Amino acid sequence: DGGITQSPKYLFRKEGQNVTLSCEQNLNHDAMYWYRQDPGQGLRLIYYSQIVNDFQKGDIAEGYSVSREKKESFPLTVTSAQKNPTAFYLCASIERWGTGTIGELFFGEGSRLTVL
Amino acid sequence: AQKITQTQPGMFVQEKEAVTLDCTYDTSDQSYGLFWYKQPSSGEMIFLIYQGSYDEQNATEGRYSLNFQKARKSANLVISASQLGDSAMYFCAMRETNSGGSNYKLTFGKGTLLTVNP
Repeated sequence: DGGITQSPKYLFRKEGQNVTLSCEQNLNHDAMYWYRQDPGQGLRLIYYSQIVNDFQKGDIAEGYSVSREKKESFPLTVTSAQKNPTAFYLCASIERWGTGTIGELFFGEGSRLTVL
Repeated sequence: AQKITQTQPGMFVQEKEAVTLDCTYDTSDQSYGLFWYKQPSSGEMIFLIYQGSYDEQNATEGRYSLNFQKARKSANLVISASQLGDSAMYFCAMRETNSGGSNYKLTFGKGTLLTVNP
């Protein structure tokens, strides 16, 4: 079955450590996105990528980094520079808008990061 | 300024009754898309319904309908015949493009927590 796989589902980290969240999709989608969700804040965009080897900052990119070496993969690194990293992280992908699709986001099941 | 505003942090509805979740948006684009997603306590995001800015008729999907009032920039979600399983967080989102039209992203509101009472 096609879909988006995020791992790990739960992650604990000590302050000052970098951590990488995995996101893999087999939907053959061009664009991929990372959102952060905090209680009462909705979803906020961290980074997005339209094609391989290219990505753009979203609204809250500080303290995060990404790479897009393969179409299927879009890992997110939460660096020690991120001051408040405890949150729920959602990865999503989308078909290229204009190919007869409406542009809905397909989401993974999320990764919950807790900084101890 | 917020681009998507959901003014109801929480809503309660009796089972089998209808409920309206409010969403207003702000954009200067002529072409845009509006989405509603449902997020149960498990955390997954479930796409519910879509309305394009040029669509003349309100979108409907089963028990979900979207009350689209373009001049007022509102896109309210109506859930008819509420069920206990409808209890969840609901997010309104808008698709935006950059000036070149090649990059696009969805911007989300802060959500409304719906509780359906038996």
